[in-house]
Amino acid sequence: DMKVTQMPRYLIKRMGENVLLECGQDMSHETMYWYRQDPGLGLQLIYISYDVDSNSEGDIPKGYRVSRKKREHFSLILDSAKTNQTSVYFCASSRRDRGYAEQFFGPGTRLTVL
Amino acid sequence: AQSVTQPDARVTVSEGASLQLRCKYSYSGTPYLFWYVQYPRQGLQLLLKYYSGDPVVQGVNGFEAEFIKSNSSFHLRKASVHWSDSAVYFCAVSAYTGNYKYVFGAGTRLKVIA
Repeated sequence: DMKVTQMPRYLIKRMGENVLLECGQDMSHETMYWYRQDPGLGLQLIYISYDVDSNSEGDIPKGYRVSRKKREHFSLILDSAKTNQTSVYFCASSRRDRGYAEQFFGPGTRLTVL
Repeated sequence: AQSVTQPDARVTVSEGASLQLRCKYSYSGTPYLFWYVQYPRQGLQLLLKYYSGDPVVQGVNGFEAEFIKSNSSFHLRKASVHWSDSAVYFCAVSAYTGNYKYVFGAGTRLKVIA
């Protein structure tokens, strides 16, 4: 069963609190991604991970960090969350970085920072 | 760097009518091209992709798209839409810039009315 899971699905935090978003996949995909989705902006890449402990910044990494200690898990961390980080966050995975590889997406985490 | 433009933020069509959602990309070479669909409160799912060969590619649920290199376009089409096709559709481009980089368009929200 090819699946990407995300926890939690909904999260409300106060400004300055730390946030941990977790993602798992059962396809043994090497490459994993974190995106945020805001109205009218499509998906913006935050970080990409090519395998365990092999992470690269995407287009909007500021204010975020990631951790990948196992191939099947990829975490997104917000240290001291800000109100402008309110968004829907998607995790995705794909086979080793090949341009034509399909990305498989999780259901998203809706984060609200008050 | 590559970019993707979906000029129509919202499209409304009647059930049974034909559909075209527009996508234009900017990239000097031949990219890999994708259409994804996002249903409410879900992640993105692949509809179809083009990476070589026949420029008309077939996808799921009767969708197809045509790669026109001279026009840098990859428009999505469907002959007869159903109410269940109401969703947000994203065009994406993957191109090599040291690593393969995926870029998504801003999306087109399709509403199918009776």
